[in-house]
Amino acid sequence: GAGVSQTPSNKVTEKGKYVELRCDPISGHTALYWYRQSLGQGPEFLIYFQGTGAADDSGLPNDRFFAVRPEGSVSTLKIQRTERGDSAVYLCASSLAGTSPYEQYFGPGTRLTVT
Amino acid sequence: AQSVTQLDSHVSVSEGTPVLLRCNYSSSYSPSLFWYVQHPNKGLQLLLKYTSAATLVKGINGFEAEFKKSETSFHLTKPSAHMSDAAEYFCVVSDLTGTASKLTFGTGTRLQVTL
Repeated sequence: GAGVSQTPSNKVTEKGKYVELRCDPISGHTALYWYRQSLGQGPEFLIYFQGTGAADDSGLPNDRFFAVRPEGSVSTLKIQRTERGDSAVYLCASSLAGTSPYEQYFGPGTRLTVT
Repeated sequence: AQSVTQLDSHVSVSEGTPVLLRCNYSSSYSPSLFWYVQHPNKGLQLLLKYTSAATLVKGINGFEAEFKKSETSFHLTKPSAHMSDAAEYFCVVSDLTGTASKLTFGTGTRLQVTL
């Protein structure tokens, strides 16, 4: 079956611009996660949705970052006034919450470059 | 708060020889532990998981890991390395079992396999 998909695969933007990154989870997965992976580092948690609501947004670095999941499926990560330090690979994962041990299936990521 | 420490940033082995990738964890609760693999330009893939059942966990592609509470370790091993094993490996901890939870990744170990 189809896995987690993310679009675009690459995004280059100028400092100060606004960007949106999209994630399509595996059909039927109620939990959705966003992570950020900087060069040479492991992924870092940003935000987790259970259904339509953000259950844990403790990893969002500041108020320039925002994510939505209005219908409980597709999610969009939004970054305002981008900075060069936002350059990273943004990963999305989904899981079938309610079944232990919650294996998270990852998408291929969106590589964001802020110039 | 939970964390993992991967003791080696880079490991090089010859094809056909054993692989050992070391990981120590810190957790306030009974942890769930995972190993993920990331091949170049591909998404993260789950190798294996420990969730308080058997302490010796077998995963895909001949990998296994042993949970040792007394040593707070979860080292990844494989008896005989193959060229296709060359990739980045991440040790991951999740504190909660029973509900969906964010993952905390180590900094990764790059495995190089030589002829």
